[in-house]
Amino acid sequence: QKEVEQDPGPLSVPEGAIVSLNCTYSNSAFQYFMWYRQYSRKGPELLMYTYSSGNKEDGRFTAQVDKSSKYISLFIRDSQPSDSATYLCAMSREYGNKLVFGAGTILRVKS
Amino acid sequence: DTEVTQTPKHLVMGMTNKKSLKCEQHMGHRAMYWYKQKAKKPPELMFVYSYEKLSINESVPSRFSPECPNSSLLNLHLHALQPEDSALYLCASSQVGRQVQETQYFGPGTRLLVL
Repeated sequence: QKEVEQDPGPLSVPEGAIVSLNCTYSNSAFQYFMWYRQYSRKGPELLMYTYSSGNKEDGRFTAQVDKSSKYISLFIRDSQPSDSATYLCAMSREYGNKLVFGAGTILRVKS
Repeated sequence: DTEVTQTPKHLVMGMTNKKSLKCEQHMGHRAMYWYKQKAKKPPELMFVYSYEKLSINESVPSRFSPECPNSSLLNLHLHALQPEDSALYLCASSQVGRQVQETQYFGPGTRLLVL
């Protein structure tokens, strides 16, 4: 079993839809949770980060962490074709700097 | 400024060549990382430097040799690579510390092709 599970997709949605991206994990030691967006042939770009459980909102993006269920989500409101990319969840333990990534979900927003 | 820069953007090398990848950040981060990413896969950690000292080597073959000359620079020296080493090589940096959120910021990567 992988430490972090993420459905690779692809996920296709119409423009304007609400997108829900999710990851589950098995290690309760994870404390920091991040979402990265990666366009084709580019480096990952940090979108959101959350420490421990809770919600965080930034513009059209909302990140949720439920540590009791070992489940994290990223919601994108009013999705745009420019949101088409691969979305990687990542997490790390409280001590040490090693990030563990999910496989990445390919998102396609159609106009 | 949350920018990590990497040079070159693209590199083609033969199996007998020696080349170097360079990474630079000016965010005052004291941890720097090298990752390897194959197509349609997540980044795989190779090395971590913390305060200019190598702290993690993920059992990377010796044909990859990292170097951290100072707190802003990170190099990856390449020698006698194999075609299967072709990938996107990503550099990242972050703050270090217990109470500090350890978000890593990535550079755009160097796309390496080994012939």
